[in-house]
Formats: sequence, structure tokens, C-alpha cells
Amino acid sequence: DVKVTQSSRYLVKRTGEKVFLECVQDMDHENMFWYRQDPGLGLRLIYFSYDVKMKEKGDIPEGYSVSREKKERFSLILESASTNQTSMYLCASSLIRGSGNTEAFFGQGTRLTVV
Amino acid sequence: DQQVKQNSPSLSVQEGRISILNCDYTNSMFDYFLWYKKYPAEGPTFLISISSIKDKNEDGRFTVFLNKSAKHLSLHIVPSQPGDSAVYFCAASELSGSEKLVFGKGTKLTVNP
Repeated sequence: DVKVTQSSRYLVKRTGEKVFLECVQDMDHENMFWYRQDPGLGLRLIYFSYDVKMKEKGDIPEGYSVSREKKERFSLILESASTNQTSMYLCASSLIRGSGNTEAFFGQGTRLTVV
Repeated sequence: DQQVKQNSPSLSVQEGRISILNCDYTNSMFDYFLWYKKYPAEGPTFLISISSIKDKNEDGRFTVFLNKSAKHLSLHIVPSQPGDSAVYFCAASELSGSEKLVFGKGTKLTVNP
């Protein structure tokens, strides 16, 4: 089974803190994603990586950065946390197109609260 | 501009009946479509997908229909069970370029016993 593991289920941080959300996948997937889910807004893509050290902005990258130094690990960084970044954060991974089924597999999510 | 639209925020059906969840898209370059199910406080789980070369894909109680000319897809669940109660997300990806998945806002399905 594909496993995508996010380092924390619940996190509470203070405004202005630098926050790291970690994600690890064990299926050698090329693609990794960070989404946030908010009520009534669905899943919105923050950043996407298709290879080590490669990244692409999603729909809402402002206030976030990412790091992918190893294929299995994709980190989301909140440079200076703000209350409007309180959300459910979801990491996902998938195979690259043409190499098989390309559905994305999700981690269990990190509920981040910024106070 | 929302490229994947799920216009019904919620749907309620009786156990044993059919659930039909709808999804519309605007980007004609989308060629791969997926449905995910999400329970509260968990990550989405993949349900079923369909490529644009097909118009139907079936997996047990779940069937996805694709109407390319109308840019519309639907997920049918027959028979519906109380355990199917969850938020369902439609997602799509493009033929070329980025492989990112674009999601709709979701439809909350409630199956009543």
C-alpha cells in the first residue's frame, strides 16, 4: 500500500512563527503536492513538485515556500504564520504521467491552528 | 476562475437508493478525471477515475460517467450505504504541461438509514 505520512496530525503555532510541515511518501513517486482544505473552498493547491529540487506554484502560494531535497520528502514552510493560515493541510504524491495509474495518494492531514 | 465545479454543496439520499454526484469542468485540456472521498479529520481517499478516451468506468457500487461534449462527469453510487456518507471531491488533470490535480469544492453526501 502507498503510504503518505505527515509529521503531525494537530499543530498549534503563534502568529509570526516559522512553521514546518513535513511529508514523506514511500512509493518512489515523482510528484508531490501540498493542498489546504477550508470549508466551502475545497482543496486548493499551494505548491507542487515534480522532481527533487523542482517546484511549481499552485493557486495560493503566497506566504508559503517548499523544499524537496530528497525524492520521498516534501516540506511546506510557513515563513511567518498568520491566523488566516489556520487550515487543514494535505500532502499528496503520485506517479508521473505515463508510468501507470496517476491518482494522487493523500496523507492523513495536519490541522494547523495559528493563534 | 474555477475550472472544476461541483454545484451541489450537499446531497441527501435514503439507504439503498442511488446517489448521483455531479461535476462540471471548463478546461478542455483536462483528460483525466478522478473522484475522492473524504471523512472529517482524514485525508481524501481515491475512489475511481476515468480517462477522456472512455465515457464510463465501473468499480463495484461506483460508476463514473463522462460526457466530454458537455464537459460534465457524474459519480453514481448504487446502492447507497450509510458508510458512504462523506464529502466527495471531483478532480481533473491536463493532457500536457503540469500534472497537478485541480479539485472542485466538494459535495457532502448524507445517506440516511
